[in-house]
Amino acid sequence: KNQVEQSPQSLIILEGKNCTLQCNYTVSPFSNLRWYKQDTGRGPVSLTIMTFSENTKSNGRYTATLDADTKQSSLHITASQLSDSASYICVVRDKTGANNLFFGTGTRLTVIP
Amino acid sequence: DAGVIQSPRHEVTEMGQEVTLRCKPISGHDYLFWYRQTMMRGLELLIYFNNNVPIDDSGMPEDRFSAKMPNASFSTLKIQPSEPRDSAVYFCASSGAPGQSFSYEQYFGPGTRLTVT
Repeated sequence: KNQVEQSPQSLIILEGKNCTLQCNYTVSPFSNLRWYKQDTGRGPVSLTIMTFSENTKSNGRYTATLDADTKQSSLHITASQLSDSASYICVVRDKTGANNLFFGTGTRLTVIP
Repeated sequence: DAGVIQSPRHEVTEMGQEVTLRCKPISGHDYLFWYRQTMMRGLELLIYFNNNVPIDDSGMPEDRFSAKMPNASFSTLKIQPSEPRDSAVYFCASSGAPGQSFSYEQYFGPGTRLTVT
């Protein structure tokens, strides 16, 4: 069964600290993986997309990694800011003709001063 | 562009009533998606359209849900009759570029928070 699991479910960190969010998937065949940031009361916004051949991709203080062999991805946030408080959702697309999307339930990050 | 526009932003209705959610995609985008988000299940894709045609509605939970896209700039998601378990945030998203749209970023609207009492 194709699944996407994220951990931790929630996380509280002090402003300025780093953190890493995890996404494990069983989706096959794999097409791409996208990390979204969702602020409270808003729709998700794409942070980065990873394809099979990409290991690391950065977007400012956000760095995503992908290990297609172990089917794991991580999102590392450096020098966290209060504005990083949000839910982070991992979405994996398969490579079938249907181009199905599989969603993780997200990690709720709270950055405190 | 104003982005994806959804209305209403909040809807409170009684069980059994009909609910209609509205979406205006980003101009020029040819894919439109309807999602439902709950705490328990996260984001779920309900249905998507390509060039106004429904392509995959396998995520629509049951016959009480229906979606239409009469033109490139407007779509509706209707629930009739509504039930308390339909309470959720419903998102509309659009993406562009024919042929490669599934790799392209989806732009989400602000969502409609539906509460069915």
